[in-house]
Amino acid sequence: DQQVKQNSPSLSVQEGRISILNCDYTNSMFDYFLWYKKYPAEGPTFLISISSIKDKNEDGRFTVFLNKSAKHLSLHIVPSQPGDSAVYFCAAMITGTYKYIFGTGTRLKVLA
Amino acid sequence: DAGVIQSPRHEVTEMGQEVTLRCKPISGHDYLFWYRQTMMRGLELLIYFNNNVPIDDSGMPEDRFSAKMPNASFSTLKIQPSEPRDSAVYFCASSFGTGIIGYTFGSGTRLTVV
Repeated sequence: DQQVKQNSPSLSVQEGRISILNCDYTNSMFDYFLWYKKYPAEGPTFLISISSIKDKNEDGRFTVFLNKSAKHLSLHIVPSQPGDSAVYFCAAMITGTYKYIFGTGTRLKVLA
Repeated sequence: DAGVIQSPRHEVTEMGQEVTLRCKPISGHDYLFWYRQTMMRGLELLIYFNNNVPIDDSGMPEDRFSAKMPNASFSTLKIQPSEPRDSAVYFCASSFGTGIIGYTFGSGTRLTVV
């Protein structure tokens, strides 16, 4: 059973607009969440994280929102740039287990 | 630091053959993870080690898969015998401590079993 779900396999956005990537999880014990970005032929790289004690975390153009009651998190990229075109994975962890459960990924394409 | 190093980058093998994937974690990292990426399931955790000791292998698909970490700088993932459904990209990742700042992933090994 997929505990972390990214229901949109792909997303296309115009350059300069906002990209919103969504992620849902089923295990209410998850208390730490990450987003990773992956370019072709490379490993995933860490992008941004959020703890369950927060509902928002910002880092430059990237903001992650967490809605614990809905078991939902989203990644906002504003403004989107062509270099943001990649596959984005969300991941969740129960602190102390040391292992992240990843979603299936969303392929973002930013159109110039 | 050269990062997490995986070899080979690509592997094509015939069904029934043994396949060994290799990983060198970042020096000083005490956790090592093996993940498999497929279109259907995304990144699946297969097994992870702490200080060279396997902690959780619940993600290993079946007995055909085995992983070892003989020392802090080397790990292997072996598939014997390999099957076409094992075709995927296999990633190794390492981290220091709790992983709160995430893992560092290698570039992966693309395995094709024909």
